[in-house]
Amino acid sequence: GENVEQHPSTLSVQEGDSAVIKCTYSDSASNYFPWYKQELGKRPQLIIDIRSNVGEKKDQRIAVTLNKTAKHFSLHITETQPEDSAVYFCAASLGNFNKFYFGSGTKLNVKP
Amino acid sequence: DTEVTQTPKHLVMGMTNKKSLKCEQHMGHRAMYWYKQKAKKPPELMFVYSYEKLSINESVPSRFSPECPNSSLLNLHLHALQPEDSALYLCASSQVGTVGYTFGSGTRLTVV
Repeated sequence: GENVEQHPSTLSVQEGDSAVIKCTYSDSASNYFPWYKQELGKRPQLIIDIRSNVGEKKDQRIAVTLNKTAKHFSLHITETQPEDSAVYFCAASLGNFNKFYFGSGTKLNVKP
Repeated sequence: DTEVTQTPKHLVMGMTNKKSLKCEQHMGHRAMYWYKQKAKKPPELMFVYSYEKLSINESVPSRFSPECPNSSLLNLHLHALQPEDSALYLCASSQVGTVGYTFGSGTRLTVV
């Protein structure tokens, strides 16, 4: 099956700085890569996603890049704010998107 | 209605009890999922229902019994659980074969 690795496990940045979280996957057939944000005690929420036929996608302060050759994808958050503090999970999905393989999570702390 | 509703929000049960978790959505999604999430870990897929039929069982112990009585409702019946089964149980839904996963807020289960 697919194996998704995520780094770093924790990340502290100063408010206004950028944050980058990286994931690698093992199965070249994976074709959909969502990113979820989970605040303490709350549900995971989709913040951005990318399909394998796209190299980059941006939504305001958040962007995701995908390198299919290297089998890695990254989440970029610019101008970080304290409310960006949460655990972020990457995931990869094969085929019909019914099954997600999650990374181990990154705890992002944005210091005011 | 764009939500997945889970009840109860919290549940404490003894190892000899039988209880059920409930998940409901009215978005017309025909794929529904149960995930288990331990503290500081990513969600782990347990079951997938597609068109009200069980399509994926991730080798989950039989003390967890899923049921999908109709296209809007998903249950997880619990019996003879162990303390290590204590976790956040998340339900999710999506259209079959398309992206757009929506998680519920979860049921925090404690087995004593």
